[in-house]
Amino acid sequence: EAGVTQSPTHLIKTRGQQVTLRCSPISGHTSVYWYQQALGLGLQFLLWYDEGEERNRGNFPPRFSGRQFPNYSSELNVNALELEDSALYLCASSLAVNYGYTFGSGTRLTVV
Amino acid sequence: AQSVTQLGSHVSVSEGALVLLRCNYSSSVPPYLFWYVQYPNQGLQLLLKYTTGATLVKGINGFEAEFKKSETSFHLTKPSAHMSDAAEYFCAVRPTYNQGGKLIFGQGTELSVKP
Repeated sequence: EAGVTQSPTHLIKTRGQQVTLRCSPISGHTSVYWYQQALGLGLQFLLWYDEGEERNRGNFPPRFSGRQFPNYSSELNVNALELEDSALYLCASSLAVNYGYTFGSGTRLTVV
Repeated sequence: AQSVTQLGSHVSVSEGALVLLRCNYSSSVPPYLFWYVQYPNQGLQLLLKYTTGATLVKGINGFEAEFKKSETSFHLTKPSAHMSDAAEYFCAVRPTYNQGGKLIFGQGTELSVKP
């Protein structure tokens, strides 16, 4: 069974640019979660998608957005990049509330 | 709101020694509880989870954790540390009621294993 896949693995962008990160969940998982892991800040919840709908979002500005497609894959978009957006962005999928997440390997975003 | 506290951001043990990583949660009802491990430049891997039933949970790589409701704790242990256990460990809770479906993570504990 394929795990959660994220692309790209690494990305370097300039301040002010826009970026799109992609995530494919495990087959059969309908929920996708996005987390930001910045140095020294732990894992911060960004977004939760389920059945194509945004169900919850963390305390991030509106320039962080995303969507979930009918095949349950997901995109995370970040507009007007700032230096502090440099982080590892982790996507996870889940089958049900009493299951843990299965994480992808992440996308390392560097903003210069 | 639920929260998770991991005591000690860094823990160092000798190879072969007991590993004990502490996790306490705040919740009015017992949540689902998880431990994850993260190796450098990788995503998180599920070590073990507690949902219902037996309070002593066994996971992968010889780790186990015990849910203690009276202490609101879910400490992670391994009897004998191995060099390959060096990594960052995260405790997480997920409310049994719907709080946005998200996992709430502790700040992580970095485990070092000395030869």
